[in-house]
Order: sequence, then structure tokens, then C-alpha cells
Amino acid sequence: QKEVEQDPGPLSVPEGAIVSLNCTYSNSAFQYFMWYRQYSRKGPELLMYTYSSGNKEDGRFTAQVDKSSKYISLFIRDSQPSDSATYLCAMSVTSNDYKLSFGAGTTVTVRA
Amino acid sequence: DTAVSQTPKYLVTQMGNDKSIKCEQNLGHDTMYWYKQDSKKFLKIMFSYNNKELIINETVPNRFSPKSPDKAHLNLHINSLELGDSAVYFCASSLSGGRSYEQYFGPGTRLTVT
Repeated sequence: QKEVEQDPGPLSVPEGAIVSLNCTYSNSAFQYFMWYRQYSRKGPELLMYTYSSGNKEDGRFTAQVDKSSKYISLFIRDSQPSDSATYLCAMSVTSNDYKLSFGAGTTVTVRA
Repeated sequence: DTAVSQTPKYLVTQMGNDKSIKCEQNLGHDTMYWYKQDSKKFLKIMFSYNNKELIINETVPNRFSPKSPDKAHLNLHINSLELGDSAVYFCASSLSGGRSYEQYFGPGTRLTVT
């Protein structure tokens, strides 16, 4: 069993829909939870990070962490075709862990 | 203005050859990484250097040898290339001291071994 599980999709939604992405994990010591976005043929870029449990909002993006269920989510409101990308969750125990545990990534297509 | 750059972007070579990939960052970071991303998009860390010292050395065939001449550069040399080495290799960098989760990735080097 992988340390971080993420459904690879693909996920296809119409423009304006809410995109819901999630990851589950097995290591209860994880404290830092990241979402990276990777456009086709580009390198991943950090989209958001959250420390411990709770919600974090940044524009149309909301990250949620439920440590009791070992479950994290990323919501994209009012999705746009420019949101079409692969979204990778990543986790670490401390903020100085050089080795991040990545999920497999979920590929999202937003149809115009 | 490129933050993390890699050369070459594409590499097509035959089995048994030796090749190198170069990486440079101009972000002033002290930690650099090599990742391998397979066809299913799974990103796997291979090596990491902090201030030119090797700090992560995952279970990678010893045909792969990283080298960090200074904090801004990290190269990857691969000997005796095999078909299974075909993948996209990403270089990344970050700051230590509580910011390691914020990694900046290069554009990737797409390696195809025939």
C-alpha cells in the first residue's frame, strides 16, 4: 500500500463546475500538506500548502485537511479551461523534510 | 528570468550510451533535487543535495550519479542507459530552514532510450 493514495482520474468537468480532488494517507505523522499543479509538459508548481488540520482558501482554490480521517481535499470553484492540469498532493512530517511524499496526481480537464 | 533551468529538454539515445543532464537555479536556494516522473505521472525523488552535500540517496541504480559543483548547480550522469530509464527527469530546488515543502521545479528533461 502506498503512503499517499490519489485517484489518477482523469476527471473532465464543464467550465464553471466545482472540481473536487482528494488524497488519503497512512502516515499519521504528516503535518504539512501541499498541492502542486502541473501543466502538460511543464514542471510542477506549488499551488497551496496547509499546516495541520483545517481549511485554507486562496481565490477560487480551497484546501482542506482532515487529519482524523487522514484525508485531504482541494476544491476549485468556477473552474476555467486554464485549470486543466494534473494536480499532485504532497505531504511531509516537518516543514524541513526534504523528501516529500507525493500522490500519483489527478489529471483534470475543464471543457469550455 | 528562468528560476530553475535544465538542459537538454529532450534527449533521445540508444541503450548502453552514457548521458548527462544539467540543472541550474538562480533563486538563491541551498537545496536541489532530482526527480523521475514515469509515464503514469508518478513523481519519485532520486537525490537531494543541501549546500553541495548529498542528503537524499534513494534506491536508485548506481548507474545514476549526481554531482553538485556548487549550490546553484546539480547535474545527473547516467551510465549504460536502459529502456526503463525512459522518463521525464525534473530538477527542483528549495530553501532549507522550514521551507523545504516549497520546491521549485524545472521544465523537465524528457529522456527516451531506444
